[in-house]
Amino acid sequence: AQTVTQSQPEMSVQEAETVTLSCTYDTSESDYYLFWYKQPPSRQMILVIRQEAYKQQNATENRFSVNFQKAAKSFSLKISDSQLGDAAMYFCAYSSPKGGSRLTFGEGTQLTVNP
Amino acid sequence: KAGVTQTPRYLIKTRGQQVTLSCSPISGHRSVSWYQQTPGQGLQFLFEYFSETQRNKGNFPGRFSGRQFSNSRSEMNVSTLELGDSALYLCASSPRGAGDYEQYFGPGTRLTVT
Repeated sequence: AQTVTQSQPEMSVQEAETVTLSCTYDTSESDYYLFWYKQPPSRQMILVIRQEAYKQQNATENRFSVNFQKAAKSFSLKISDSQLGDAAMYFCAYSSPKGGSRLTFGEGTQLTVNP
Repeated sequence: KAGVTQTPRYLIKTRGQQVTLSCSPISGHRSVSWYQQTPGQGLQFLFEYFSETQRNKGNFPGRFSGRQFSNSRSEMNVSTLELGDSALYLCASSPRGAGDYEQYFGPGTRLTVT
């Protein structure tokens, strides 16, 4: 079974600074996808960024980028120029073609952005 | 396009009762997945429906069931409610139900069992 682990229950960052959230996963599959979702206090889950395992290039979406280390099974999220609106719970998630739409989530990291 | 909608948004039930939650996916999306979110267990996958068929099921007791209609709307039912069923239930839809597609989440239904 696939597992996703986020070892940082809480993180904080100063506004305009950079923060990195960590995620590791375990799988025996070679084809899979990794995601970072954001859940603000409204509880609405929002996709931040995704990475296909077959792509060597790290995904980037504006201020959000990932560091995907396939051999190490590591998938960290870097948020640059942090904004107050980035404050939320961040979840790392895994899916594979064999699992349909099923997402396996990590425990989450609560990010606080200090003004 | 309208987003994923879930009804009701809040629900209070008594232990032993049953409850039905509803999810309307984004128009054109054929896959609907359900997740349970609790402080202790985090986000856990319940089941996925695709074209009216249950395609995947998580590790939940048989008290949890679901179905999908021909218009892709989905319902989940929990019978004989227990206190531990108190949670936020999230529904997500995607166009094709393949792992690479983005899933769009609804706002959730907050169920409280007393």
